[in-house]
Amino acid sequence: GAGVSQSPSNKVTEKGKDVELRCDPISGHTALYWYRQSLGQGLEFLIYFQGNSAPDKSGLPSDRFSAERTGGSVSTLTIQRTQQEDSAVYLCASSLQDRVNQPQHFGDGTRLSIL
Amino acid sequence: QQQVKQSPQSLIVQKGGISIINCAYENTAFDYFPWYQQFPGKGPALLIAIRPDVSEKKEGRFTISFNKSAKQFSLHIMDSQPGDSATYFCAASKTGGYNKLIFGAGTRLAVHP
Repeated sequence: GAGVSQSPSNKVTEKGKDVELRCDPISGHTALYWYRQSLGQGLEFLIYFQGNSAPDKSGLPSDRFSAERTGGSVSTLTIQRTQQEDSAVYLCASSLQDRVNQPQHFGDGTRLSIL
Repeated sequence: QQQVKQSPQSLIVQKGGISIINCAYENTAFDYFPWYQQFPGKGPALLIAIRPDVSEKKEGRFTISFNKSAKQFSLHIMDSQPGDSATYFCAASKTGGYNKLIFGAGTRLAVHP
């Protein structure tokens, strides 16, 4: 079956531009997570959605970062006025429920490069 | 604050050997410890996970050993194969909330033929 889909797979943009990253979770998965993976680093939690609500936005690095989820499905992560330190791979994961023992299924990420 | 520390950063093992990756955590509220495997250009995939009520869990060639008193857990890959070459991440989360995973920094494993 279809897994988590992220688009674009690669994005190169100039410093100061806004970018939108899209995540299509597995159908029926109510929980959705965004993580950031910097070069050679582990995954850093950004935000969690349960349905269309975001109970935990604590990982968003600054107010330039925002995310939304619509229809309990697609999610968009927006970065405004991009900076070079925003360069990273942005990963989305979904799980059937938000329970601890429900595995998170990851997409292949969007590799964002800020020039 | 690094809540999950992973070592080594990189590991080279000969085919057929045992690969061992270690993780230590700080938060005693953590009670779910998964390991993820990531190939270049791909997202992480769940490999195996353990809860602290058991000291060991085995799935095929992969084994997690868990030491609750030491707040440490490790991944053992028996009979390592070149196809196991990937980056491995340990993680931790706690029940009572949603599954917010705290990841270690990762270990890049290379299995040489």
